[in-house]
Amino acid sequence: EVQLVDSGGGLVQPGGSLRLSCEASGFTFGSHAMSWVRQAPGKGLEWVSTITGSGAATFYAEYAKGRFSISRDNSKNTLYLRIDSLGAEDTATYFCARGQGRKDEFDFWGQGTLVTVSS
Amino acid sequence: QSVLTQPPSVSEAPRQRVTISCSGSSSNVGNNAVNWYQQLPGKAPKLLIYYDDLLPSGVSDRFSGSKSGTSASLAISGLQSEDEADYYCAAWDDSLDGWVFGGGTKLTVL
Repeated sequence: EVQLVDSGGGLVQPGGSLRLSCEASGFTFGSHAMSWVRQAPGKGLEWVSTITGSGAATFYAEYAKGRFSISRDNSKNTLYLRIDSLGAEDTATYFCARGQGRKDEFDFWGQGTLVTVSS
Repeated sequence: QSVLTQPPSVSEAPRQRVTISCSGSSSNVGNNAVNWYQQLPGKAPKLLIYYDDLLPSGVSDRFSGSKSGTSASLAISGLQSEDEADYYCAAWDDSLDGWVFGGGTKLTVL
């Protein structure tokens, strides 16, 4: 059974940093592109970033370039998202999602982890 | 302002049929597959339709997708109360080199 478990969210002060994790099981992790999608409270889904199965290529939404960094450790079946210089606009639930290739549908999603940026 | 345009809300009575539109451009919907996601209240999104009109295993055939040019549609027939959810379309955008989503459509079953 495919499972994606998101973690690492919490209350963070403005200007702080955070690393989110997504632990995968039930499939060959390194054979799949992985992505992060976020959702601000009461708002719609917003793509953040995608990384290919090998980790050789990464893609970011325009707003995420510079402050967000996606990475993966295929030996640990884990996806990461580091966010620096957090601002109130980053308050959202962050979901990891699995694809086949970078342009393929997100066929499985994690449960999400909530990041709240507030002083 | 989302790159893909969806109506904010739709409503219909039980057992009826409803469609949700998704309008884009040649760099996304017109040139790449459209996928649809269902998000029940308080839950993670779930893949509903992929590659414009394909149903993942386990998804009811009351759901169907179609695409023509730069517009796509999701149809739900035989509406049930459990279909009340937010629905999102998404497609890869070649110009942005990334994924774009619609703003989401809230379905109310009257």
